[in-house]
Amino acid sequence: DTAVSQTPKYLVTQMGNDKSIKCEQNLGHDTMYWYKQDSKKFLKIMFSYNNKELIINETVPNRFSPKSPDKAHLNLHINSLELGDSAVYFCASSRAREQFFGPGTRLTVL
Amino acid sequence: QQQVKQSPQSLIVQKGGISIINCAYENTAFDYFPWYQQFPGKGPALLIAIRPDVSEKKEGRFTISFNKSAKQFSLHIMDSQPGDSATYFCAASMQSNYQLIWGAGTKLIIKP
Repeated sequence: DTAVSQTPKYLVTQMGNDKSIKCEQNLGHDTMYWYKQDSKKFLKIMFSYNNKELIINETVPNRFSPKSPDKAHLNLHINSLELGDSAVYFCASSRAREQFFGPGTRLTVL
Repeated sequence: QQQVKQSPQSLIVQKGGISIINCAYENTAFDYFPWYQQFPGKGPALLIAIRPDVSEKKEGRFTISFNKSAKQFSLHIMDSQPGDSATYFCAASMQSNYQLIWGAGTKLIIKP
């Protein structure tokens, strides 16, 4: 009965590869997010998405793209991975102002 | 103007003491101020939140103090316990856009 789930938990890959992280929420929320948390713990919002509108943080490289097959899922695709993409990525969903976070995916690019 | 400034970056408190983390903002359109708690290996989780029509909100050992004129708010943890050791984030959002603007986080360590 996990509210927001992400797979995989850990992802280790080579520079230049393409990878995806999956996110699912069973809370019935309309809005979902992707965050990047760097080694200093700073939380940076990458995307927010509801079933009508995608808002992209303009500082996010276009190698990152969210894909939402339905309201309960928001996957993150990353092309041509770079060393600087290494971080923990969190998916979240929200009801009104409160955001519910998934457990995170630790991405390591070698 | 969209920033939320959080201090200190790290904090060590003895068990039983009071932990205090401060945040400041510039945008007067912010009308919701939450604190999130993050344990190692987990995602952040909402701890407590306040709106600017009150100056204080208390939930158990956790209290938010809010100073609208100074555009500052703080988290107080009374009788701090080792289990409170975590990273704490303040944030703010406005009615027109629910996106949270995050502080940089405070790593709190409670020494037994």
